[in-house]
Amino acid sequence: KAGVTQTPRYLIKTRGQQVTLSCSPISGHRSVSWYQQTPGQGLQFLFEYFSETQRNKGNFPGRFSGRQFSNSRSEMNVSTLELGDSALYLCASSLDWPNEQFFGPGTRLTVL
Amino acid sequence: GNSVTQMEGPVTLSEEAFLTINCTYTATGYPSLFWYVQYPGEGLQLLLKATKADDKGSNKGFEATYRKETTSFHLEKGSVQVSDSAVYFCALSEIRDDKIIFGKGTRLHILP
Repeated sequence: KAGVTQTPRYLIKTRGQQVTLSCSPISGHRSVSWYQQTPGQGLQFLFEYFSETQRNKGNFPGRFSGRQFSNSRSEMNVSTLELGDSALYLCASSLDWPNEQFFGPGTRLTVL
Repeated sequence: GNSVTQMEGPVTLSEEAFLTINCTYTATGYPSLFWYVQYPGEGLQLLLKATKADDKGSNKGFEATYRKETTSFHLEKGSVQVSDSAVYFCALSEIRDDKIIFGKGTRLHILP
């Protein structure tokens, strides 16, 4: 069974731009969650989607948004990028929240 | 609210040494507890889990026992290998809380 895939693996953007990250879950998994990982804050939960609906949300500003498509693929968008948004963004899928999460390799975003 | 506290790293050990990484938690209900491992350049992988008090999770020589009386879930391995070098995350989830909360991670270095 193919694992969770994330694209792109690396991104470089400048302040003020916006970015869209993509996540394809394991086949059959309907829950997709997103995390931000930084050296200072560790792993922080962004949001979770199930059957195209956002069910859970962490404490991030509205610049961070996401969506899920009918095939369970998910996208995360960050608008008006700030330097502090530089991080590894991890996507995880599971059969249902909050059971075992299967993580993708992450997208490393650098904001200059 | 719920929280997870794990020992700060980095932890440096010689090959074949005994490993303990401490993890304590605060939860209002009856959480499930997890240890995840992140190898360099990769996403997180579930290492082991325990869903109720006194359960012992084990995998790849690692063990952790869910201790409700001490609210702990310490990770142990009797003889570490260089290939165990990674970052280890303790985490908890509660169904009613709809969140997974991660500790800040402990970096482990194993010297040959």
